Amino acid sequence: GAVVSQHPSRVICKSGTSVKIECRSLDFQATTMFWYRQFPKKSLMLMATSNEGSKATYEQGVEKDKFLINHASLTLSTLTVTSAHPEDSSFYICSARDPIRGSNEKLFFGSGTQLSVL
Amino acid sequence: AQSVTQPDIHITVSEGASLELRCNYSYGATPYLFWYVQSPGQGLQLLLKYFSGDTLVQGIKGFEAEFKRSQSSFNLRKPSVHWSDAAEYFCAVFTGGGNKLTFGTGTQLKVEL
Repeated sequence: GAVVSQHPSRVICKSGTSVKIECRSLDFQATTMFWYRQFPKKSLMLMATSNEGSKATYEQGVEKDKFLINHASLTLSTLTVTSAHPEDSSFYICSARDPIRGSNEKLFFGSGTQLSVL
Repeated sequence: AQSVTQPDIHITVSEGASLELRCNYSYGATPYLFWYVQSPGQGLQLLLKYFSGDTLVQGIKGFEAEFKRSQSSFNLRKPSVHWSDAAEYFCAVFTGGGNKLTFGTGTQLKVEL
């Protein structure tokens, strides 16, 4: 089956540094990828929609200069948390849509990245 | 706007007992509904989905869900819970036009041995 790989699974960084998270679709070309953020004991909140070759679409309240998204190829989207602060600590999950599987509902999720900012 | 409500934050069941996790949705058109499971520190795994047709949907790991339009519900069930089913369960609705998944707040399932 389709697999989405997310790396790293866990990262600890100092406040003020930037962290890059990668999301790869391993056996399909994902024209669209999604980035979610999950707070402890909370649901997943969509941060942005990443479209290959164009700018990401951010949800209301998400700082696009803070959370940089790049979708330079059909198999890779990256989320960079710039100048990270402790409040950015969270679990980030990506998902990718496989358009070949016949419907827009074919979403596959990465295993998530736990970001801890000290 | 579309939304998903999971009324139960925590549920504890004994191993071997039956399980029902509640999910209610608010969506104007026919919804595309999903149930996902998340183990600690992990991503999401799709259990089952409903798009159309038979309102009783079978999923993986012995789970099933029933779509009831009159009640705007899509409850997840399992006749006999295993200890390995302990996890967080999310109901979600997909808005095809909006291309987004909206998740419920999740239900934490604990299984007593």
